[in-house]
Amino acid sequence: DAKTTQPPSMDCAEGRAANLPCNHSTISGNEYVYWYRQIHSQGPQYIIHGLKNNETNEMASLIITEDRKSSTLILPHATLRDTAVYYCIVTIGANSKLTFGKGITLSVRP
Amino acid sequence: DAGVIQSPRHEVTEMGQEVTLRCKPISGHDYLFWYRQTMMRGLELLIYFNNNVPIDDSGMPEDRFSAKMPNASFSTLKIQPSEPRDSAVYFCASRRTETYEQYFGPGTRLTVT
Repeated sequence: DAKTTQPPSMDCAEGRAANLPCNHSTISGNEYVYWYRQIHSQGPQYIIHGLKNNETNEMASLIITEDRKSSTLILPHATLRDTAVYYCIVTIGANSKLTFGKGITLSVRP
Repeated sequence: DAGVIQSPRHEVTEMGQEVTLRCKPISGHDYLFWYRQTMMRGLELLIYFNNNVPIDDSGMPEDRFSAKMPNASFSTLKIQPSEPRDSAVYFCASRRTETYEQYFGPGTRLTVT
């Protein structure tokens, strides 16, 4: 599976958009980009995934660059409850093996 | 939908004792995963099952660890004998073949003294 690189942390103001970057320069053509998050002391929670096209659901939007070497997870209106560790994972299709890195810690401030 | 159920939520045991962690996946899910999370190593996949059959156990740290799935609604992760370095939060997750999303349970916090 391709390796991902995320900054260790970032913060944003409540109500503003949070843009979380992820680099995956070695991604191959059949690998998907997944995002999960883990709120303190809870199990990870699926957010969104994509292959080539941008994706949006009720939680977030996923923007993948045309060369697929990087992506951005967008939380359009961050709330305090969005404070969590966000993991960007690249893996083949619905491949069952998710390899979690260190993730990025998002802190939403009032 | 009750979600993935794990028991116990907390377990404290002494070194050398046997520990059994339990998981009930979401009904209808045919994949089940066991993960371990520590500060040092992060979140690691230990083993996963498909239709009750172990598919990949390459993440199981050593022979002291074993996992079973006797039926579609129950799985166990056993550590015998336990050691202090096994202290971690153990998560169970499940998934349906048709979807990409894994649903995680609340975890079992294991402390081995």
